[in-house]
Amino acid sequence: QVQLQESRPGLLKPSETLSLSCSVSGGSVSSPAYFWGWIRQPPGKGLEWIGSVSYRGKTFYNPSVKSRVTISLDTSKNHFSLNLKSVTAADTAMYYCAGSAGWFDPWGQGTLVIVSS
Amino acid sequence: DIQMTQSPSTLSASVGDRVSITCRANESISSWLAWYQQKPGKAPKVLINKASRLESGVPSRFSGSGSGTEFTLTISSLQPDDFATYYCQHYNSYPYTFGQGTKLESK
Repeated sequence: QVQLQESRPGLLKPSETLSLSCSVSGGSVSSPAYFWGWIRQPPGKGLEWIGSVSYRGKTFYNPSVKSRVTISLDTSKNHFSLNLKSVTAADTAMYYCAGSAGWFDPWGQGTLVIVSS
Repeated sequence: DIQMTQSPSTLSASVGDRVSITCRANESISSWLAWYQQKPGKAPKVLINKASRLESGVPSRFSGSGSGTEFTLTISSLQPDDFATYYCQHYNSYPYTFGQGTKLESK
């Protein structure tokens, strides 16, 4: 059974870069069964898809963050990563990683990212 | 981008009730729709994919229907564990988008 676990980046200041990784256990990021995605949820609000990466490393991004975001695979560590540049308070959210076959399953437990000066 | 609109935003119901939540897309997404349940402090859990396909382990009181632009999640007999927030999500094309959520609360 595939399980996902996000890293914990801590508190960020405006203009810094958010870097998260998602460790995959019970499966391989190179498996053609999955794409791998990031979804975020601001406190008290709904879900926003950030982007996804295929098992071959092809990426797909939400236009709302496309100019600031990079998602990548690291097959040697069996994880995938999210980098979001120039964060602002609007990027404060719970960040989830997930496997994807279109819909998202499984999900990591989520990690709270707070952007504050 | 395809916009997903759920209704109602809040639904008050009692144990044993039959409840339905609607999700509308602003253009056709065929059957490329999933439904999720989210409880406070937890990650969402997928209930249904491809509009009507029940995920393994999900109780049969949950069902999904629809195609094109209009979709429905139905709970046939509400149980105490079902009070949560529900989201729809399309995966017809990128960018994937979610509905704004429907909070199902106890009457």
